Amino acid sequence: GENVEQHPSTLSVQEGDSAVIKCTYSDSASNYFPWYKQELGKGPQLIIDIRSNVGEKKDQRIAVTLNKTAKHFSLHITETQPEDSAVYFCAASISGGYQKVTFGIGTKLQVIP
Amino acid sequence: GAVVSQHPSRVICKSGTSVKIECRSLDFQATTMFWYRQFPKQSLMLMATSNEGSKATYEQGVEKDKFLINHASLTLSTLTVTSAHPEDSSFYICSATLGMDASGGELFFGEGSRLTVL
Repeated sequence: GENVEQHPSTLSVQEGDSAVIKCTYSDSASNYFPWYKQELGKGPQLIIDIRSNVGEKKDQRIAVTLNKTAKHFSLHITETQPEDSAVYFCAASISGGYQKVTFGIGTKLQVIP
Repeated sequence: GAVVSQHPSRVICKSGTSVKIECRSLDFQATTMFWYRQFPKQSLMLMATSNEGSKATYEQGVEKDKFLINHASLTLSTLTVTSAHPEDSSFYICSATLGMDASGGELFFGEGSRLTVL
């Protein structure tokens, strides 16, 4: 089955700096890669996703890149703000969420004011 | 985006009792719902996949008699933890999807339910 590795497990940045979280996946058939933000005591919220026919996607301060050859994808958050502090999960699946999604272990991001 | 509601958000029960958690899709019909379990500071572990009107598909190592899942309608799935024990204490999260055709397969998550078994 699919295996998703994520790093770093914790990340501290100064407010205004950029944060980068990296993930790798094992199943070359995976074609949907969402990123979720989870605040304490809440369910995950989708923040951005990318499909295998696209190499990069951007939404305001958040961007995701995908390298299918190397089987890795990354989340980039620019101009970080304290409210960006949360746990971020990468994930991979085949044919979108209709199939089960495999999650990375999560990255706890702390943005220091 | 679509809204998924989970209830209750927190529940405390005595060992040996059963607890039911509900997951509702409020503004869409969910063809498939998923149940996850999350331990502190860990990732989400898929427990089972349920499709409306059919039996749930459980992941390896998940006891189907322990964690009963019912998906009676396109807007409601329930997880019942039977004869709960302290080791069942965890954060349970559901998610729902419209399926690939309608939404591109995006998952919509509930807010989670914190179960504490005394």
